[in-house]
Amino acid sequence: DAGITQSPRHKVTETGTPVTLRCHQTENHRYMYWYRQDPGHGLRLIHYSYGVKDTDKGEVSDGYSVSRSKTEDFLLTLESATSSQTSVYFCAISEDPGSGELFFGEGSRLTVL
Amino acid sequence: KNEVEQSPQNLTAQEGEFITINCSYSVGISALHWLQQHPGGGIVSLFMLSSGKKKHGRLIATINIQEKHSSLHITASHPRDSAVYICAVCRTDKLIFGTGTRLQVFP
Repeated sequence: DAGITQSPRHKVTETGTPVTLRCHQTENHRYMYWYRQDPGHGLRLIHYSYGVKDTDKGEVSDGYSVSRSKTEDFLLTLESATSSQTSVYFCAISEDPGSGELFFGEGSRLTVL
Repeated sequence: KNEVEQSPQNLTAQEGEFITINCSYSVGISALHWLQQHPGGGIVSLFMLSSGKKKHGRLIATINIQEKHSSLHITASHPRDSAVYICAVCRTDKLIFGTGTRLQVFP
């Protein structure tokens, strides 16, 4: 199994509080992605990174920020959580999504009350 | 209209049946991925395709680049194949996902 871990796996928080989710990989893969999965919507891209300090927005990036200061870590931050951000968040990694395999973390379930 | 469409959305089958799940896309891509997600579980990669056909055990995946279409076949289906199957296309480093096909295989 690819070395990819997400933390925390479960979190309950209140509206307006900041939240940071961490994705850690031991594969030294270049690409890292953050997705959210909601019923009826499938997986939607929030942000992704194609190298240290190189990030780009996805289709649902509003209200989220990311940072990648090291190859192995990709952080997703909700500056002020809202109930609409209640979701399951998945991290994915790949050396090259156009020619290589994808590996997913186990998911982080976030509930914003 | 979604850039990646899967059909059917839901599928039920009896054990042993041959299963086909379809994925159509409307954009230029460099690769297409088939993924599997068990209920309450994580997501695992089944195949990465850029052309032709791949086979792994009872699973077969094909892609027709000209027609912008891919299929995932499961031969001799088994209850443990019950899962959501997700198609994802790679376009300029970004992955675009279909909404998935929920498969239930009954004994």
